[in-house]
Amino acid sequence: DVKVTQSSRYLVKRTGEKVFLECVQDMDHENMFWYRQDPGLGLRLIYFSYDVKMKEKGDIPEGYSVSREKKERFSLILESASTNQTSMYLCASLPSTGSNQPQHFGDGTRLSIL
Amino acid sequence: AQTVTQSQPEMSVQEAETVTLSCTYDTSENNYYLFWYKQPPSRQMILVIRQEAYKQQNATENRFSVNFQKAAKSFSLKISDSQLGDTAMYFCAFVLIQGAQKLVFGQGTRLTINP
Repeated sequence: DVKVTQSSRYLVKRTGEKVFLECVQDMDHENMFWYRQDPGLGLRLIYFSYDVKMKEKGDIPEGYSVSREKKERFSLILESASTNQTSMYLCASLPSTGSNQPQHFGDGTRLSIL
Repeated sequence: AQTVTQSQPEMSVQEAETVTLSCTYDTSENNYYLFWYKQPPSRQMILVIRQEAYKQQNATENRFSVNFQKAAKSFSLKISDSQLGDTAMYFCAFVLIQGAQKLVFGQGTRLTINP
């Protein structure tokens, strides 16, 4: 079974801090994704990566950056955290073999910015 | 751009009843996949069922089935003989076959199964 592991389930940070959210998958998937989940808005794509050192902006990339130095790890970075970035963050991975495959999700990180 | 709309923010039914969750989507493309994902209170998102747009036959997985109406761009999920473990957020999602494999999600429906 594919396992996608997010480093923290809960995280509390202060405004202006640089925040790192880590995600690791163990199935050698090429594609990895970062979403944020907010009530009434569903999941919105922040960034995705289809290969090591490759990244593309999703629908809401402002205020975020990402890093993919190794295939199994995809990091989301909040350069200077703000209160409107308080949210649930979900990481997902997907093999490149076809878009009919389901994305595999981590348990999520609930991030609070004070 | 593709959009997905779930018009029912919350639903509640009694155990063993049948419930239908609605989903509509908008796209000008012809080749895509549709998914229903479930997110229980424990939070991990898992796939419930998927439908290929080029297939006319509705997908079925045990107690879960879909009503896929391509012309109407509608993709509803039916849960038969509902169980307490079906309590969760349900998300409808869409992805194009070609190009970057980006899922577009609906807003979600919170389903509660009451004993």
